[in-house]
Amino acid sequence: GAVVSQHPSWVICKSGTSVKIECRSLDFQATTMFWYRQFPKQSLMLMATSNEGSKATYEQGVEKDKFLINHASLTLSTLTVTSAHPEDSSFYICSASRPDYNEQFFGPGTRLTVL
Amino acid sequence: AQTVTQSQPEMSVQEAETVTLSCTYDTSESDYYLFWYKQPPSRQMILVIRQEAYKQQNATENRFSVNFQKAAKSFSLKISDSQLGDAAMYFCAYIGANSKLTFGKGITLSVRP
Repeated sequence: GAVVSQHPSWVICKSGTSVKIECRSLDFQATTMFWYRQFPKQSLMLMATSNEGSKATYEQGVEKDKFLINHASLTLSTLTVTSAHPEDSSFYICSASRPDYNEQFFGPGTRLTVL
Repeated sequence: AQTVTQSQPEMSVQEAETVTLSCTYDTSESDYYLFWYKQPPSRQMILVIRQEAYKQQNATENRFSVNFQKAAKSFSLKISDSQLGDAAMYFCAYIGANSKLTFGKGITLSVRP
């Protein structure tokens, strides 16, 4: 299979703190990982694309200093929400792609609540 | 840029009946893939079915099948013998040369017992 995990699944933090979300491909090497944001009853919005060993590519309108992405290995990408504020509260989903598949494999998502 | 349109925000189907979810897309590419994803209340994205654009034959996966009309840029999903567990949000999605998924707005499907 192609399993992607995310940790934590749910996090509550105070305004002004930073939160790190991990995305791991458990049984394959992911050449590319993607980070999405989803509000309730809405579609997934692509935030950024990350490739192992290189800087992430952010979509228009996404603040790269607010959402730091690191893709340190072929199985791990992290998203850090810096100085989080209540408007950053959302559901964050990662996905990973394999070079032999024209498909993305999704993690279970992380619910972030900023108080 | 590619776009994916799901114009129906909600649909309802009686258990054991058949329902069709609509999707249209726009692209200038000739080689691409189309997907239907299911997102249940757990919010885990689940791949329902995929279609390669170069294949004329419509994809099927058990109770799920698609009607892929390449010239019309239409990609509808048919769910046969609907079950209560089919209730979820369904997203139509496209991948082209840039390997980025473009999603439609989604449709909420409810199943009446």
